[in-house]
Amino acid sequence: GAGVSQSPSNKVTEKGKDVELRCDPISGHTALYWYRQSLGQGLEFLIYFQGNSAPDKSGLPSDRFSAERTGGSVSTLTIQRTQQEDSAVYLCASSSRAGGRGRRDGYTFGSGTRLTVV
Amino acid sequence: GENVEQHPSTLSVQEGDSAVIKCTYSDSASNYFPWYKQELGKRPQLIIDIRSNVGEKKDQRIAVTLNKTAKHFSLHITETQPEDSAVYFCAADAGGTSYGKLTFGQGTILTVHP
Repeated sequence: GAGVSQSPSNKVTEKGKDVELRCDPISGHTALYWYRQSLGQGLEFLIYFQGNSAPDKSGLPSDRFSAERTGGSVSTLTIQRTQQEDSAVYLCASSSRAGGRGRRDGYTFGSGTRLTVV
Repeated sequence: GENVEQHPSTLSVQEGDSAVIKCTYSDSASNYFPWYKQELGKRPQLIIDIRSNVGEKKDQRIAVTLNKTAKHFSLHITETQPEDSAVYFCAADAGGTSYGKLTFGQGTILTVHP
């Protein structure tokens, strides 16, 4: 597609349930990122996939959070046993990345998934 | 890891005035500094960026300056218009093994009054 697609756009779930959020990046973009944005807050890094390299999971807040990227394209972010503090907008972004330094494209963000845990 | 501080958190200006938002970063290896605009309920969108080999970059009413020695960079918006009202985020890419991963500032809520 022309942009980064995320689904669902809104998700309301009960505390303790598991949720899966999906991100479909721009075709050909090798890098994919997940960020979280709580109400009125900045963008908190969660996880980063780049090609076939091991993902950078350093931002995942707990072991209840996991993500995978299949075939170098679609990614799913899974939150197990959701808690109320998980309520936020989850943003996915993708970018192209030329080998080495010297060239950079900015991120293209999806519209996000608004997760509400009740 | 990289740490990005952004100021002010809120900024209110009259239409036609200039607005300046400042960011500092901690990692001297950082070499790419984009700015994103997020309108209410919408996704962040890249508005301008600067690389470490450039001190200033302009695009119509917006400009970004970079001081690598002091590790700070700024966004300048001239002749502000009500449609400039949004949240603005600065970011830094540390390069090296973190190449491609952006660390964002906390955001500045800009309000332009007609």
